[in-house]
Amino acid sequence: DTEVTQTPKHLVMGMTNKKSLKCEQHMGHRAMYWYKQKAKKPPELMFVYSYEKLSINESVPSRFSPECPNSSLLNLHLHALQPEDSALYLCASSQDGGGRRVFGSGTQLSVL
Amino acid sequence: AQSVTQPDIHITVSEGASLELRCNYSYGATPYLFWYVQSPGQGLQLLLKYFSGDTLVQGIKGFEAEFKRSQSSFNLRKPSVHWSDAAEYFCAVEFTSGTYKYIFGTGTRLKVLA
Repeated sequence: DTEVTQTPKHLVMGMTNKKSLKCEQHMGHRAMYWYKQKAKKPPELMFVYSYEKLSINESVPSRFSPECPNSSLLNLHLHALQPEDSALYLCASSQDGGGRRVFGSGTQLSVL
Repeated sequence: AQSVTQPDIHITVSEGASLELRCNYSYGATPYLFWYVQSPGQGLQLLLKYFSGDTLVQGIKGFEAEFKRSQSSFNLRKPSVHWSDAAEYFCAVEFTSGTYKYIFGTGTRLKVLA
């Protein structure tokens, strides 16, 4: 299995909703990432989990809350988002925090 | 400071023509270098990477890239472009000395004319 699987593929939510994005990989990678990507822009790093511990948090607002239940799973909990949070959210993994990233196909999020 | 530059925001080529996408970086040592491709609404797919050794690296889909230390460049090339190559291309650079960073360039959007 050489994939990173993200669900859902599309999500529309209101500003008062709570939702979660899910990411899964079975490549034995020990680092997992959340990126936010606006249209026509490069991915921006939000969070890094290395060996199931949060190692990098790029000063992301608290309305985004990551969770890494185990080495294969990564969640992003969303609460009270703003319309400007609408973007493609990408999950990625890597062997051990360096080298190539393997990306999922993303969740296209729209906040109304 | 560490930085990555993709000078071309858009490039248009005819199908069958050759392609070169530019990537430059600013760094005191040799970083690890990557090229990714992204189709609309999709994730990024790794085309190729350079860590060390032979400075000409071969990737998937017929792409290759050449690392030139003297120019701090890692340009992506393809001899003959296919219509399916139309996409966004990102150079990424991993800086491992000093403050660790993994930086994506701003991207180059490739349009292919039939």
